[in-house]
Amino acid sequence: AQSVTQPDIHITVSEGASLELRCNYSYGATPYLFWYVQSPGQGLQLLLKYFSGDTLVQGIKGFEAEFKRSQSSFNLRKPSVHWSDAAEYFCAVVEVWGKFQFGAGTQVVVTP
Amino acid sequence: DAGVTQSPTHLIKTRGQQVTLRCSPKSGHDTVSWYQQALGQGPQFIFQYYEEEERQRGNFPDRFSGHQFPNYSSELNVNALLLGDSALYLCASSLGEQGTNVLTFGAGSRLTVL
Repeated sequence: AQSVTQPDIHITVSEGASLELRCNYSYGATPYLFWYVQSPGQGLQLLLKYFSGDTLVQGIKGFEAEFKRSQSSFNLRKPSVHWSDAAEYFCAVVEVWGKFQFGAGTQVVVTP
Repeated sequence: DAGVTQSPTHLIKTRGQQVTLRCSPKSGHDTVSWYQQALGQGPQFIFQYYEEEERQRGNFPDRFSGHQFPNYSSELNVNALLLGDSALYLCASSLGEQGTNVLTFGAGSRLTVL
C-alpha cells in the first residue's frame, strides 16, 4: 500500500528566511504528486503538482518543489517566506485517479 | 466564478443521530469527492461520485453514504453517529472521472458529535 510521510509536524521560520517542507512517499509506479495549503477556516488550495517531465516544478505564491525518484521525495521550498505563508501544508499522492492520499501535514509558523 | 460551496459550515449532533452534508461543485465540474479531516490529521478519502454513481470508496463503514444529483451537487450522509465522526468534512470537485484535472476543495463542514 502506498503512503505519504511528512516528517515535520511543526516548523517555525522567520519572515524572509527560506523554507523547506519534506515529503516522502511509498508508491510502486510513477506517482502523481501534489502540495496543498490550508489556512484556518479555509479549504485546501493547490500550490503545485507533478505528473511527469521536469522534476523541478513551479507553483503559485513563489513555491517550488523537486521530485527525486531515487529518494522517493517531493520537497516543497520557498526562498523567502512572508507572514501570509503561515498555514498547514499537505503533500498528497494519487493512487487511483481521484483517490488522493494525504500526509498528516506540516504546520508552518512565521515569526517577525 | 463560484468555487465549491458546502453547507452547513458548522453543526453539532449527538451520538446515534444522522447528519446530511451538502456540496455544490465548482462551475463546470462534474465529479465530487468527499474527505474526512480529523483534528491534526490529513484528509482521508471517503468516496467519489461521477455520473450519479459511487465510483470509488475509501475505508469507511457503510454508515457513510452519499448521493450525486443530476446537477452534479452531492450529499454526504452519516448514520448512527459516533464520537469519532467529529471532523471537518471536505468536498472536492473536479472534471471527469479520470484525467489530469486536480481537485478544487470547499471550506468544509465541521461536525461535532457529543
